[in-house]
Amino acid sequence: DAKTTQPNSMESNEEEPVHLPCNHSTISGTDYIHWYRQLPSQGPEYVIHGLTSNVNNRMASLAIAEDRKSSTLILHRATLRDAAVYYCILRALSSGNTPLVFGKGTRLSVIA
Amino acid sequence: DGGITQSPKYLFRKEGQNVTLSCEQNLNHDAMYWYRQDPGQGLRLIYYSQIVNDFQKGDIAEGYSVSREKKESFPLTVTSAQKNPTAFYLCASSVSGESYEQYFGPGTRLTVT
Repeated sequence: DAKTTQPNSMESNEEEPVHLPCNHSTISGTDYIHWYRQLPSQGPEYVIHGLTSNVNNRMASLAIAEDRKSSTLILHRATLRDAAVYYCILRALSSGNTPLVFGKGTRLSVIA
Repeated sequence: DGGITQSPKYLFRKEGQNVTLSCEQNLNHDAMYWYRQDPGQGLRLIYYSQIVNDFQKGDIAEGYSVSREKKESFPLTVTSAQKNPTAFYLCASSVSGESYEQYFGPGTRLTVT
């Protein structure tokens, strides 16, 4: 799986939008962009994924650059419960049931 | 409720003892995984199994062993050969396809002294 680059940490004020960037300049045409987050002392949980078009779900939005070399996870109104480590992971559709490869992610702090 | 259970949540052992961590899923997923996480670090893959009675080593398999006799269960044994076993252990399962998603258990925090 291709490599991703994320900032080590970010900070946001409560109830403001948060934009978490991810660079993936070596992405291939069949790589999906997945985002997971890990709350303190818990296992990671799925957030969202996409291929080319922007995606929205109840947790977040995913904005994918036109050249697909970068993407941004958007939390529309950060809450204290959103404080977590966010992982951006590339995964080829042909990967079948092979494991996700986790980097160090971005640690998001939310200030009340 | 469907999901993944890991037990116990906290486990303490003396050095030199083998210990087995439990992982059970009722999601009917074919694949299961074991990861290890050290403080401030990302997850590292220990073992994974894509089907019953078959499993593959991950990046850090040395000192660990697994079995997959049933679809629902994927226990991990931390042997005395593992040099630094104290860590947070996470089990996960998945189904393949475009909507691939890994579901994680709550984890077991193992402390070996």
